[in-house]
Amino acid sequence: DGGITQSPKYLFRKEGQNVTLSCEQNLNHDAMYWYRQDPGQGLRLIYYSQIVNDFQKGDIAEGYSVSREKKESFPLTVTSAQKNPTAFYLCASSVQGRGGNSPLHFGNGTRLTVT
Amino acid sequence: AQSVTQPDIHITVSEGASLELRCNYSYGATPYLFWYVQSPGQGLQLLLKYFSGDTLVQGIKGFEAEFKRSQSSFNLRKPSVHWSDAAEYFCAVGFYGGSQGNLIFGKGTKLSVKP
Repeated sequence: DGGITQSPKYLFRKEGQNVTLSCEQNLNHDAMYWYRQDPGQGLRLIYYSQIVNDFQKGDIAEGYSVSREKKESFPLTVTSAQKNPTAFYLCASSVQGRGGNSPLHFGNGTRLTVT
Repeated sequence: AQSVTQPDIHITVSEGASLELRCNYSYGATPYLFWYVQSPGQGLQLLLKYFSGDTLVQGIKGFEAEFKRSQSSFNLRKPSVHWSDAAEYFCAVGFYGGSQGNLIFGKGTKLSVKP
């Protein structure tokens, strides 16, 4: 079955360390996204990519970085510059990134805890 | 600026009772509208979507939603709630010509179901 795989499900890091969250999709979708979810805040867009080797900042990109070297993969690095990195991170994909009418398919998330 | 409002943070209904979750948006033209559901610790799953045409749309799990242009609303309904419907529900809005980076999510409504 096609889908989005996020790994690991739980991740623990010490403050000051960079950490990379994995996101892989086998849906052959062009566009991929990273969202951050905090209680009561809904989903906030970190970065998105509409095509390989291209990506755009979302609403809360500071302290995060991404790469899109392959269509299937869109890893997110949480750097030490992110002041409050503890959160639930969701990766998503869609058939296309333009038009606004392509539903998002989500992975099951990674819960990152930084102490 | 475009926005999405889910006025109810938390709703509790009895099993078997009807349900209506509210969603209002702010946008000058007809948007694309989505409802997603999220179980604890999981990703989001698409329940239904509205792009054009019939303003009453049917989704999975017995849910339906009605687009009311005059009220800028897209409320989610279910005639009889099951205990397994307990989850968090998110309304999302996309815009014609926009990228999925322009998909805006409401902050969610948490549904609890009483036996």
